[in-house]
Amino acid sequence: EVQLVESGGGLVQPGRSLRLSCAASGFTFDDYAMHWVRQAPGKGLEWVSGISKNSADIGYADSVKGRFTISRDNAKNSLYLQMNSLRPEDTALYYCAKRPPTFPAFDSWGQGTLVTVSS
Amino acid sequence: EIVLTQSPGTLSLSPGERATLSCRASQSVSSSNLAWYQQKPGQAPRLLIYGASTRATGIPDRFSGSGSGTDFTLTISRLEPEDFAVYHCQQYGSSPPYTFGQGTKLEIK
Repeated sequence: EVQLVESGGGLVQPGRSLRLSCAASGFTFDDYAMHWVRQAPGKGLEWVSGISKNSADIGYADSVKGRFTISRDNAKNSLYLQMNSLRPEDTALYYCAKRPPTFPAFDSWGQGTLVTVSS
Repeated sequence: EIVLTQSPGTLSLSPGERATLSCRASQSVSSSNLAWYQQKPGQAPRLLIYGASTRATGIPDRFSGSGSGTDFTLTISRLEPEDFAVYHCQQYGSSPPYTFGQGTKLEIK
């Protein structure tokens, strides 16, 4: 069974940093691109960042470019999101999601970790 | 950026009825790049449809997707109580590579 378990969320002041992690199991992690998608309270879904299976290709939404860094450790079956210079508008539930190689959608999601940016 | 607009915002129907949800794109989207998700309160999204019309693993056949170009539709043929949720469409393109619609809430009438 595919499992994606996010951690690292919490309450943080504007301008501070946070590092999210996503532990993967139940599939061959290094066969899949991985992504972060967020959802602000009561709002829709927003793609944040994605990384190819070998980390060669990385992309970011304009809203986080230059502040967030995605990475992965295939030996540890883990995905990360380093978030710097956090803003109140970054407040959201952050999901990690798995993207299969055969079609551009997200076929498994974690339960999310909540990031709240507030003074 | 391709903007996806979902309608209606809220759809009120009864179990057993047919639901038709719309997703309109601001520019043409390849059918292979359009997906639908279901999200229940307090849960993560679940992939229903990819490639505009292919059901994901384990998705009942009462769910179907159709459309092309800028207009896509998710149809639920006979609503079951567990189908009442929020539905999101998503496209894959460029800059940003993935965008979502704002969601349609399907509620019990």
